[in-house]
Amino acid sequence: DGGITQSPKYLFRKEGQNVTLSCEQNLNHDAMYWYRQDPGQGLRLIYYSQIVNDFQKGDIAEGYSVSREKKESFPLTVTSAQKNPTAFYLCASSPQTVSYNEQFFGPGTRLTVL
Amino acid sequence: GQNIDQPTEMTATEGAIVQINCTYQTSGFNGLFWYQQHAGEAPTFLSYNVLDGLEEKGRFSSFLSRSKGYSYLLLKELQMKDSASYLCAVLDSNYQLIWGAGTKLIIKP
Repeated sequence: DGGITQSPKYLFRKEGQNVTLSCEQNLNHDAMYWYRQDPGQGLRLIYYSQIVNDFQKGDIAEGYSVSREKKESFPLTVTSAQKNPTAFYLCASSPQTVSYNEQFFGPGTRLTVL
Repeated sequence: GQNIDQPTEMTATEGAIVQINCTYQTSGFNGLFWYQQHAGEAPTFLSYNVLDGLEEKGRFSSFLSRSKGYSYLLLKELQMKDSASYLCAVLDSNYQLIWGAGTKLIIKP
């Protein structure tokens, strides 16, 4: 079945450690996105990518990094520079960015930094 | 700045009708989306409106008034499984999605 997978579902890390969240899609979508969701707030865009080997910062990119070496994969690294990393992280994809196409979301990764 | 407003929480009774409102102020407008999100899960697409008027899809309908910067999601014949958060999002002039904080809908028997 086509879809987006994120792993792991729950992740615990100690403060000061970098951690990488996985996102894979087999929908053949060009565009991929990373969002952060905190209680009582809307989804906030961290990074997005329209094509392989290219990505742009979203509204809250500080303390995060991404790569897009393959069309199917868009991993997110939460670095030790991110001041409040504990959150629910959602990956999404769409056929294109500049379009009215809906975004398809993965199941999310809940990151807790201890 | 860009802003999307939705009520934080609403309560309704099983079998009833509920209307969830969304008002927006954004840099340009290329459409408005409604998504449903069950607790701890991914948002799933419900509707997309770009022209004024009502779009009906089964028990769910979505309305848009661009001149008023206003949309609503109407849910009929409520079922317990409709308990979820409903997210309003606007596609701005740069085709970036601006998200509201979501409305948590609680359905009571």
